[in-house]
Amino acid sequence: AQKVTQAQTEISVVEKEDVTLDCVYETRDTTYYLFWYKQPPSGELVFLIRRNSFDEQNEISGRYSWNFQKSTSSFNFTITASQVVDSAVYFCAGGTYKYIFGTGTRLKVLA
Amino acid sequence: DTGVSQNPRHKITKRGQNVTFRCDPISEHNRLYWYRQTLGQGPEFLTYFQNEAQLEKSRLLSDRFSAERPKGSFSTLEIQRTEQGDSAMYLCASSLSEVAKNIQYFGAGTRLSVL
Repeated sequence: AQKVTQAQTEISVVEKEDVTLDCVYETRDTTYYLFWYKQPPSGELVFLIRRNSFDEQNEISGRYSWNFQKSTSSFNFTITASQVVDSAVYFCAGGTYKYIFGTGTRLKVLA
Repeated sequence: DTGVSQNPRHKITKRGQNVTFRCDPISEHNRLYWYRQTLGQGPEFLTYFQNEAQLEKSRLLSDRFSAERPKGSFSTLEIQRTEQGDSAMYLCASSLSEVAKNIQYFGAGTRLSVL
């Protein structure tokens, strides 16, 4: 069975600080996908990034970057120069056709 | 493309009543998923369709729950004889089945409150 662990329940940062959200995805599958979603107060889950299990390169897209290490099952997500609009709950998820979600990390960016 | 649409956005019902939710996926997406999210938790998978075929149901989906996608387009999720424990956000998502494009896009959800 798969398991997604987001150990950070809530993080508060001051605007313009960098923040890293941690995720551990455990599975016996050899091929899978990992995702980060953002859920603002409005409630809609917004897709942010996807990563294949066989690709361990770090990637950057705008203010977002992510780091997948298969050996430690970690899939961390960094927001550079955080903004107040980044305040939301962030979910890590993994799977192939159906997703297993973590419990989320609430990010508060203070002005 | 208007994204995934869910109706109603909120539903308040009394225990024992039946409720039905609707999901309209992104038009070219052949897969449709239902998830349930309770307060402080991540979404939990309930069931999914490829075209009109329901391919998997979670054991979370009791006999009181039924989902359909009759023409492979919109889907409905019905809960019969609602219980207070059914109170949650019900999320619908859609995707393409092609592996390289199987990102699930979510609707805004239907929040159910059972009194």
